[in-house]
Amino acid sequence: QVHLVESGGSVVQPGTSLRLSCAASGFTFSTSAMHWVRQAPGKGLEWVAVISKDGNNKYYTDSVKGRFTISRDNSRNTLYLEMNSLRSEDTAVYYCARVPNAAVGLNWLDPWGQGTLVTVSS
Amino acid sequence: AIQLTQSPSSLSASIGDKVTVTCRASQDIRKFLAWYQQRPGKAPQLLIYDASTLRAGVPSRFSGSGSGTDFTLTISGLQPEDFATYYCQQFNNYPVTFGQGTRLEIK
Repeated sequence: QVHLVESGGSVVQPGTSLRLSCAASGFTFSTSAMHWVRQAPGKGLEWVAVISKDGNNKYYTDSVKGRFTISRDNSRNTLYLEMNSLRSEDTAVYYCARVPNAAVGLNWLDPWGQGTLVTVSS
Repeated sequence: AIQLTQSPSSLSASIGDKVTVTCRASQDIRKFLAWYQQRPGKAPQLLIYDASTLRAGVPSRFSGSGSGTDFTLTISGLQPEDFATYYCQQFNNYPVTFGQGTRLEIK
């Protein structure tokens, strides 16, 4: 059974940094591209970033380019999102999600983790 | 970036009704569209991919159609567990984008 568990969410001040983790189990992590998607309180879904199976290819939404870094450790079955220079508008639940069937990163997402809440506030 | 516009933004319906949600893309995305259901306080769950392929385990009352710029999600015979918010997502090119969501409420 595929399982994704995010962690690392917290309340932080603007301008600070935070690292989110997504622990994967139930599948061969190294064969799956992975995404981060976020959802601000009461709002819709916003795609954040994607990383290829081997970690060599990454894409970001414009609003986080230069501030966020997606990475993975296939030996630990873990996905990361390093977030720097956090802003109030980064406040959201952050979900990790898998691209199924060893497909390329540009794809549908299934499943999603339960999410971890990041609150950026002074 | 490709914009996805869902309509309606909210919808009231009764148990047993048939409802349709529309997702319009700002440019041709071929068949590269997925639909998700999100219940309050939960993560989104995949319903349909490639515009019309039903994910394994999803009830057959859900169906999707369309290609190019116009897509629909239809739920035939609403059940209590179907009252949720629905999102479309395009994966034709980066950045991946989502529609703004359609909230389906009980009438």
